[in-house]
Amino acid sequence: QKEVEQNSGPLSVPEGAIASLNCTYSDRGSQSFFWYRQYSGKSPELIMFIYSNGDKEDGRFTAQLNKASQYVSLLIRDSQPSDSATYLCAGTDSWGKLQFGAGTQVVVTP
Amino acid sequence: DGGITQSPKYLFRKEGQNVTLSCEQNLNHDAMYWYRQDPGQGLRLIYYSQIVNDFQKGDIAEGYSVSREKKESFPLTVTSAQKNPTAFYLCASRTDRLSGQPQHFGDGTRLSIL
Repeated sequence: QKEVEQNSGPLSVPEGAIASLNCTYSDRGSQSFFWYRQYSGKSPELIMFIYSNGDKEDGRFTAQLNKASQYVSLLIRDSQPSDSATYLCAGTDSWGKLQFGAGTQVVVTP
Repeated sequence: DGGITQSPKYLFRKEGQNVTLSCEQNLNHDAMYWYRQDPGQGLRLIYYSQIVNDFQKGDIAEGYSVSREKKESFPLTVTSAQKNPTAFYLCASRTDRLSGQPQHFGDGTRLSIL
């Protein structure tokens, strides 16, 4: 069974601090990885995607990929209350299908 | 505005009844997907279609059916064979399965049993 695994949380982060979310995957054939944010009762919204080893930054968000360790992470700098949500990690298989993790709930406390 | 439209937003099913969830996109995307999300869980793939008139079963296809007669439309029918249909259903699309581009989601349909 090809899996994507995340800590379910909740991850409690003080406002202004860095939130660090981790994701591991078992399918070595996975090429593309995505982070989605999902507010309660809403549909997932794409935040970041990364294809190559290393870091990719977009505003307050940084995605990190290490294919050798089969590890993807998301850093949220200067966390805001509006960042409180569930963050879903997903990776594609060779057929382009996404495998989703169960998500990590982030709670930013004032 | 380009996007993915799902309807209805809320749907109630009576026992023994089939219901159909609508998904329409005007993004000119070839690939479309249906997912199911249960509370506190990730998304599970029901069916996907990479091109018109073709579709494939996902991980949890039993009790569901789909059609892809038009590029823009990918309706999902929840049949009476699906004994536990209560969930949040999400439709997604992407340019094509090989592009590596991300999937984008509609707003979802919440299905409950009466």
